[in-house]
Amino acid sequence: AQSVTQPDIHITVSEGASLELRCNYSYGATPYLFWYVQSPGQGLQLLLKYFSGDTLVQGIKGFEAEFKRSQSSFNLRKPSVHWSDAAEYFCAVALFSGGYNKLIFGAGTRLAVHP
Amino acid sequence: DGGITQSPKYLFRKEGQNVTLSCEQNLNHDAMYWYRQDPGQGLRLIYYSQIVNDFQKGDIAEGYSVSREKKESFPLTVTSAQKNPTAFYLCASGHRTGSTGELFFGEGSRLTVL
Repeated sequence: AQSVTQPDIHITVSEGASLELRCNYSYGATPYLFWYVQSPGQGLQLLLKYFSGDTLVQGIKGFEAEFKRSQSSFNLRKPSVHWSDAAEYFCAVALFSGGYNKLIFGAGTRLAVHP
Repeated sequence: DGGITQSPKYLFRKEGQNVTLSCEQNLNHDAMYWYRQDPGQGLRLIYYSQIVNDFQKGDIAEGYSVSREKKESFPLTVTSAQKNPTAFYLCASGHRTGSTGELFFGEGSRLTVL
């Protein structure tokens, strides 16, 4: 079955440090992959997406992600974290079946940023 | 501005009562979705609809009902049959034809059962 795994429930980094959030997916075909960010009590905002082509994709707020088919991974990175990046981050894969499409989400990684 | 509007933002309900969460979008999207969010569990799909007058059960549809009478609207009713309804509910919409799967989300509705 299709699934998304985010191995880290919580991550704490210092402001200015680099960040990598892990995401592994299980999907038979070429995946359409997404990273969303959620501030407390808010909806989800799209950070970036991968459909095809260049495996390194750039997103908003200085984030990037790299698709690695051999590792079934789509890790999110940022070279220098800002205090405003503290939020919850969700990785997702699009599932297309029977004329319907939907997103399957991971459990999320909560990021805390120390000053 | 185009977007998705969910209301109410906060809702309190007594046990045994049905409640309806509103979701309206003006993005001209065919597809609409309801997700439930609980701490540590990510987002779980309740119901989704690709066109008017058609909807499909998601992974956790028991105790919920929906309707899709208009393209713009996809209300969710949390019935008294839902055993643990306290949660954060998110509505989303997206394209159907030629879709890449990307979804756009509302700000959410937090339901608390007293």
